[in-house]
Order: sequence, then structure tokens, then C-alpha cells
Amino acid sequence: GAVVSQHPSRVICKSGTSVKIECRSLDFQATTMFWYRQFPKQSLMLMATSNEGSKATYEQGVEKDKFLINHASLTLSTLTVTSAHPEDSSFYICSARAPVEGADEKLFFGSGTQLSVL
Amino acid sequence: GENVEQHPSTLSVQEGDSAVIKCTYSDSASNYFPWYKQELGKRPQLIIDIRSNVGEKKDQRIAVTLNKTAKHFSLHITETQPEDSAVYFCAASWKQAGTALIFGKGTTLSVSS
Repeated sequence: GAVVSQHPSRVICKSGTSVKIECRSLDFQATTMFWYRQFPKQSLMLMATSNEGSKATYEQGVEKDKFLINHASLTLSTLTVTSAHPEDSSFYICSARAPVEGADEKLFFGSGTQLSVL
Repeated sequence: GENVEQHPSTLSVQEGDSAVIKCTYSDSASNYFPWYKQELGKRPQLIIDIRSNVGEKKDQRIAVTLNKTAKHFSLHITETQPEDSAVYFCAASWKQAGTALIFGKGTTLSVSS
């Protein structure tokens, strides 16, 4: 399937610092990418929809000033967790729809970023 | 918006038995229903999907059925194996490229040998 690359895979940071997570589509162009957050033993919760060249669309309850999303090119979206606090510790995972030969588009996921805020 | 309910939350079966996981969705406009398998600490992997113009789809030991009228769809795994043990998520969305998937809460499947 299509490849979505996400970096870093793991981040440990101090409370109050900012962390940037990158999500790249390696073999296709993604005008739209999605950012999810997953707490331990819970489901994937949609945080925001990242749109290339325009503002991201945030889900209800997600602070747009805290979770900054930039989608400056057709292959890169970034999520910056600003002034991170321990409650922001979670597994963050991006995804993008990609064309699949012989089928309609399917959603592929990056490898995820485990964020731990001390 | 869309809401997806998934049952059961945990499922334990003996190797060789079948496992069934059920999901319901709320938005009648949803027309794409994938299933993902996620192992601990890893990304979700698409295992099978179905679109609203099809009632059933099968891929070896895995099958998915869709009842549009009742707005529910199910994952069927036959001849389960220990390596099938994982968390399974159902999801629903519109077909359009800009629409995200909304996930169910997940089912932890344990297959004992």
C-alpha cells in the first residue's frame, strides 16, 4: 500500500516545551491529511483535518492554538504541540487517503509518535 | 456528525473458532466501512473494507457484511489463529477524499491455543 512516514517515533520532553511531529506521504500527493490521538487502550480520536494551503479544521474540544497544524506542501503536514503538559502525553498518528490501483482511495497511517511529557 | 459503536470491547476465543465483531453507525450518508487491526504500539493496518454498494466481501479467513438499512456492519474471522490476537477497529466515513474516518472504540481479540 501507499507509504505514510511519520517522525519522530518517540519523544520525551519537559513540561512547557513544544514538540513538532512530521507526517509525509512518500509516493503520492495528499491534499488532505488527518491527525488522530490515541490514549492507552482507547480508540483513535480525530483531532483535526489538515488541508494543503489552507487552515486546518479542528474537531470540537481540540485547542487550535495548542495543536498547530501546517500543511505547506502536498506531501508534508506537521503537528506542533505547543507548551506541552503531562496530560498531552499520548500516541499521535497521522493518516492520508491514497489512490489504490483497482480500487477507490484508502486511508493509510503513519507509524505514530509516542509523546511523553515529564 | 458520525458516531460509531463497536461491540464487544473484548473477545476471547479458542484457536480455530470464529470471531465476530459488530459495529453500528449513525450517519446514513456514510458509505465506506473499513476494518483495521492494531498491534500494541504500532500503526493500524487495514485488513478489509466494504463500500455501501456491496453487502458482503470476503478475503480468505476474513469477511465483512453490511446492512445499510439497519446501519450496521460486522467483521467475521474464521479459523482464528494466535497471531490474530490484536485490537480491531471498525470505522465509517464518506467516500469523498476530504472526509476523515470515525472509529469505533475497538475490540481486543485474544486467541488462545
